Amino acid sequence: DAKTTQPNSMESNEEEPVHLPCNHSTISGTDYIHWYRQLPSQGPEYVIHGLTSNVNNRMASLAIAEDRKSSTLILHRATLRDAAVYYCFSGYSTLTFGKGTMLLVSP
Amino acid sequence: DTGVSQDPRHKITKRGQNVTFRCDPISEHNRLYWYRQTLGQGPEFLTYFQNEAQLEKSRLLSDRFSAERPKGSFSTLEIQRTEQGDSAMYLCASSPRVVSDYGYTFGSGTRLTVV
Repeated sequence: DAKTTQPNSMESNEEEPVHLPCNHSTISGTDYIHWYRQLPSQGPEYVIHGLTSNVNNRMASLAIAEDRKSSTLILHRATLRDAAVYYCFSGYSTLTFGKGTMLLVSP
Repeated sequence: DTGVSQDPRHKITKRGQNVTFRCDPISEHNRLYWYRQTLGQGPEFLTYFQNEAQLEKSRLLSDRFSAERPKGSFSTLEIQRTEQGDSAMYLCASSPRVVSDYGYTFGSGTRLTVV
């Protein structure tokens, strides 16, 4: 599994866009990049994943660098319910979590 | 389908006792994973099954831990002679195919407290 690096925490105001960065410099050429988030006392929740092209879904957008060594999760308008720990990682048969980024959202 | 179910949600046990947790994956998912998460840390991989076969085990899975998935459906994780260091959230996840392509669906976890 590729080693990933994320900031420990980030802050945002409600209704503002949030860009959460992730470095995954050792990623394999065929492994997808995944993002999950975890609310307190809950299991991690799938957010988005992609291989090479940028991806959009109802929750977020994923921007993947051309060399695939980094990616950015974009929340277009943060809400209080988006406050969580966000994890990025890649892998094949299993996924290895790091410590993630704790996102704080202020009203 | 209601997603991945884990039972119990909470378990308090005395040190030295045995505990068993159950996970029911999404029915059409043939891959099932166990993770452990301690406070302030990300989930740590323990083991995973493809159908009934246990394909990978982490070095975190000591001899006191055993996992089974009879008939490739639900799975159990047993911890024998529990220690205070076993206190954690135990998470189960399932996936329909290779996780790189599809990702996981997690359950809500079983929180174990060893006193």
